[in-house]
Amino acid sequence: NAGVTQTPKFRILKIGQSMTLQCAQDMNHNYMYWYRQDPGMGLKLIYYSVGAGITDKGEVPNGYNVSRSTTEDFPLRLELAAPSQTSVYFCASSRMGQGAQPQHFGDGTRLSIL
Amino acid sequence: AQTVTQSQPEMSVQEAETVTLSCTYDTSENNYYLFWYKQPPSRQMILVIRQEAYKQQNATENRFSVNFQKAAKSFSLKISDSQLGDTAMYFCAFMKLSTGNQFYFGTGTSLTVIP
Repeated sequence: NAGVTQTPKFRILKIGQSMTLQCAQDMNHNYMYWYRQDPGMGLKLIYYSVGAGITDKGEVPNGYNVSRSTTEDFPLRLELAAPSQTSVYFCASSRMGQGAQPQHFGDGTRLSIL
Repeated sequence: AQTVTQSQPEMSVQEAETVTLSCTYDTSENNYYLFWYKQPPSRQMILVIRQEAYKQQNATENRFSVNFQKAAKSFSLKISDSQLGDTAMYFCAFMKLSTGNQFYFGTGTSLTVIP
């Protein structure tokens, strides 16, 4: 029962570096999401995807890019890392359909930009 | 736009007692869903309970129940017989029924259960 798997769990970047946060789910969920959680705050949506090849911006997309080439994978790319991107990043997925479909979350990636 | 407000940043409760966490939301939607998630120190996000807005009956999951007041746009979480393992951040979330079913989260309430 892997669910949603995020890698890495921790990472320290220097300002201006780039990196990709990986996210994979094995539940055959159509919908996938990336959030950031700043200290003392709730989760804010960065990007989401309703299926392979389809992505859309959330509330705080600036400085990030995503792609969805398969149903299972939804990587998040940071270009030119900035200190303001220091945060905990969560990937989530959910089933498409009517009803109260909950989101299933990965364990998060703690990212520090120094 | 949807907003979710949790006005209690921190709360504490004695073990075995009952505690209620508040959540209000603002929306012009009529059909939506509400959730409570728990985030223990391990940082995992764990679903606690969910409520469909079209249902008048309040959802219950074992020791967890909600008081859903649609007209007041209020969705509080009651935890009965609190246990040490209930110590966590609790987030209220609103789901708009749309393409992608986006979630909107509150800022959370940190709950500490005191032995």
